[in-house]
Amino acid sequence: DQQVKQNSPSLSVQEGRISILNCDYTNSMFDYFLWYKKYPAEGPTFLISISSIKDKNEDGRFTVFLNKSAKHLSLHIVPSQPGDSAVYFCAAFVFGAGSYQLTFGKGTKLSVIP
Amino acid sequence: DVKVTQSSRYLVKRTGEKVFLECVQDMDHENMFWYRQDPGLGLRLIYFSYDVKMKEKGDIPEGYSVSREKKERFSLILESASTNQTSMYLCASSPAGETGELFFGEGSRLTVL
Repeated sequence: DQQVKQNSPSLSVQEGRISILNCDYTNSMFDYFLWYKKYPAEGPTFLISISSIKDKNEDGRFTVFLNKSAKHLSLHIVPSQPGDSAVYFCAAFVFGAGSYQLTFGKGTKLSVIP
Repeated sequence: DVKVTQSSRYLVKRTGEKVFLECVQDMDHENMFWYRQDPGLGLRLIYFSYDVKMKEKGDIPEGYSVSREKKERFSLILESASTNQTSMYLCASSPAGETGELFFGEGSRLTVL
């Protein structure tokens, strides 16, 4: 059973417009939510995160919104640039004594068209 | 900057061969991980280790084993490679902590013929 779902395998956006990537989760115990970005033939790199006690975190062009009641988070990229074209993975993390659970979604491939 | 180095970027092996994938991190991180990435399946955790000589199974440990004899090094072993283990293998590390931020290596693309 997928605990973290990215329902859109791909997304195309014009350069300069907003990109919105969505993620749903099922486990209300997650402590942190993260977004990773991955280019082909490279490892993923951490992009931005949000604590479960917040509803928004912003870092430059990237903003993550968390709606706990809907168990939904989204990543907004404004303005989108061709270099943002990559696969984006949503991840959710829960930390407890003797356990470490970081669960990834299946990814959304973003294509930013010049 | 944190650096996670995977020993081989590309490997081609034959069915039944024993395969070693090595990973070294230089930031004294407690936690180390092995994931595999397949199209349409995302990142799936094979094994992780939170200390030297400690290991925990992830979601898909079958057909794999790991070794962590030193803090900076985490090895993934395929005892008898099979074609369904053709994949991109990603090593990651993280400090002990509560945020889930991982630092990934560049990946090892393994093809099993």
